[in-house]
Amino acid sequence: AQSVAQPEDQVNVAEGNPLTVKCTYSVSGNPYLFWYVQYPNRGLQFLLKYITGDNLVKGSYGFEAEFNKSQTSFHLKKPSALVSDSALYFCAVSPLSGSARQLTFGSGTQLTVLP
Amino acid sequence: NAGVTQTPKFQVLKTGQSMTLQCAQDMNHEYMSWYRQDPGMGLRLIHYSVGAGITDQGEVPNGYNVSRSTTEDFPLRLLSAAPSQTSVYFCASSYASSDRFPYEQYFGPGTRLTVT
Repeated sequence: AQSVAQPEDQVNVAEGNPLTVKCTYSVSGNPYLFWYVQYPNRGLQFLLKYITGDNLVKGSYGFEAEFNKSQTSFHLKKPSALVSDSALYFCAVSPLSGSARQLTFGSGTQLTVLP
Repeated sequence: NAGVTQTPKFQVLKTGQSMTLQCAQDMNHEYMSWYRQDPGMGLRLIHYSVGAGITDQGEVPNGYNVSRSTTEDFPLRLLSAAPSQTSVYFCASSYASSDRFPYEQYFGPGTRLTVT
């Protein structure tokens, strides 16, 4: 069975500082990994995904994520945080096999960027 | 494109009542799914469909039914509502993924359901 852990329920960072939201995963075989963002009272929006190849993935709104196979991690990063980045962030994993691509989500990390 | 739409946005039910949550997408996506979101638990898959006429169970299917008669619509039915079904429900859709290219899912705005 696949699983995702987001060890921090809450991350606070000052505007202009770099931010990191952590994610570790467990899956049989090679993973597909995703980050989604949820703003208040909205559905989830896709940020970025890792399929294969370059371990550093760039996505929307200046976000990027680094895939580390040995540490089974896929941390989300941004060099300079904005107040508007404040939201709930979800990491998700999908296994290689199966056409439905069922996603397993982490519990979410609330990011607050302080002005 | 309207994307993924869900109705209603809010609903209050009494225990034992039934209702249908509506979901529609206009992107010609083959894959559609229903999730529930509960605090501290992320999103959990209820049911999914890989095309019209094909549905399957996800992680938490008990108490819910689905059908997929068209590509566009994927309603979720609560058969006999229970307080444990109080949650926020999200519908999502995507192109059918292959082994080499998993497509990202597009989510609707959600339905907030309270069962008393």
